[in-house]
Amino acid sequence: DAKTTQPNSMESNEEEPVHLPCNHSTISGTDYIHWYRQLPSQGPEYVIHGLTSNVNNRMASLAIAEDRKSSTLILHRATLRDAAVYYCILAGGTSYGKLTFGQGTILTVHP
Amino acid sequence: ETGVTQSPTHLIKTRGQQVTLRCSSQSGHNTVSWYQQALGQGPQFIFQYYREEENGRGNFPPRFSGLQFPNYSSELNVNALELDDSALYLCASSLASRGPGNEQFFGPGTRLTVL
Repeated sequence: DAKTTQPNSMESNEEEPVHLPCNHSTISGTDYIHWYRQLPSQGPEYVIHGLTSNVNNRMASLAIAEDRKSSTLILHRATLRDAAVYYCILAGGTSYGKLTFGQGTILTVHP
Repeated sequence: ETGVTQSPTHLIKTRGQQVTLRCSSQSGHNTVSWYQQALGQGPQFIFQYYREEENGRGNFPPRFSGLQFPNYSSELNVNALELDDSALYLCASSLASRGPGNEQFFGPGTRLTVL
C-alpha cells in the first residue's frame, strides 16, 4: 500500500484557517487521496477526496500538488468541533475500498 | 437516510470465548468493511464484504470471520478471543460501484474488552 506521512500534531486558534499537510511521494496514477477525521469517542468521518484537481465541499478544501506527491487539507475557519485526528489515506484501483489508516494528525483548536 | 449502526455498544468477554458483532449499513449501500482500532492507533482493515462474499482481507487470522446478509447488514465473528483482541471494532458501508473513489460511512463502533 502506498504510504502517507503527516505531522503528529498541529494546533490552531478558533476561527483561523488550518492547513494540514500530507506527503505521499509513492502515489500511483490511480490512487485517490482521501481525508477522514475521527472525533473523540466516534467512528471516522469522511471529509473529502480527490484525484488530481483541487476539491471543495462544505467541510473543507483539498489542495493537490501538481506532481500529486503531496496534498493539503484546508479548514477555512476552525471551530472547537474540528478538534480531531485527521487521516490522509491513499486508495487505489486494486484496493476495493480498503482504507489504510496511518497515525494521523491530532488537531487541537484553542478558543 | 439511516446511518450506519452497530451493536452492541460495549462488550466484555473472557479469553477463549467467541463474540459476534453486528452492523447495519447505510440505506442503499451494498458493501461493508470492518476495521479494528486498538487504543491510540489508527483503524486497521480486517475485511470487506460485497454481495454476501468476502471481497478482500487484511492481515488478520482466520478466527476473524464475517457474513453479509441479503439486506447488506453484516456480522463480524471472532473465535478463541485473545487479550490483544481488545479494541474498538468499526463497520463502514459504501457503494462498490464507485470504486476506490468512494466515500465510506463509519458506524460508532463496538468496544470489545477481553479479560
